[in-house]
Amino acid sequence: QKEVEQDPGPLSVPEGAIVSLNCTYSNSAFQYFMWYRQYSRKGPELLMYTYSSGNKEDGRFTAQVDKSSKYISLFIRDSQPSDSATYLCAMSAFSGSARQLTFGSGTQLTVLP
Amino acid sequence: SQTIHQWPATLVQPVGSPLSLECTVEGTSNPNLYWYRQAAGRGLQLLFYSVGIGQISSEVPQNLSASRPQDRQFILSSKKLLLSDSGFYLCAWTPGGAGYTFGSGTRLTVV
Repeated sequence: QKEVEQDPGPLSVPEGAIVSLNCTYSNSAFQYFMWYRQYSRKGPELLMYTYSSGNKEDGRFTAQVDKSSKYISLFIRDSQPSDSATYLCAMSAFSGSARQLTFGSGTQLTVLP
Repeated sequence: SQTIHQWPATLVQPVGSPLSLECTVEGTSNPNLYWYRQAAGRGLQLLFYSVGIGQISSEVPQNLSASRPQDRQFILSSKKLLLSDSGFYLCAWTPGGAGYTFGSGTRLTVV
């Protein structure tokens, strides 16, 4: 079993839809949770970063963490064609002298105009 | 502000040839540096990380090596490339917090 599981999609939605992206994890030592957005042939860019259970909102994006269920989500409201990208969840537990990230495999999202 | 540079963007190399990918960070000192590889349809696999000059930790036994000759320079190398080394290589840095900043990546095709 992988430490982090993420539905690879692809996911296709119409413009304006609410998108829900999800990851589950098995390592209870994970403390920090992130969502990255990766456009084709580019490096991932950090979208959201949380370290506690609950919700964190940033504009159209909401990150949700449920540590008891080992489940995290990213919601995108009023989705736009520019949101079309691969979304990667990532998690970390302090390890040695460098905090390392464990990534999900990514969900490919297409928002149709 | 801090910036990360990674080059080249694209590379096509024959099997058995050497490899050198370079990554530099500007605007910070003593960053933690990372090399990741991303295969098509898969997540990012951590290859090496470094917390200081000359300090390299390897996560996956493989045909690759890394070096950190200067504080803000991280190099990924291979003496003889294999077909299985093809992929998208990403350098990343963090000042010690959990949020990583990635470079733009190098797409390596071994033929």
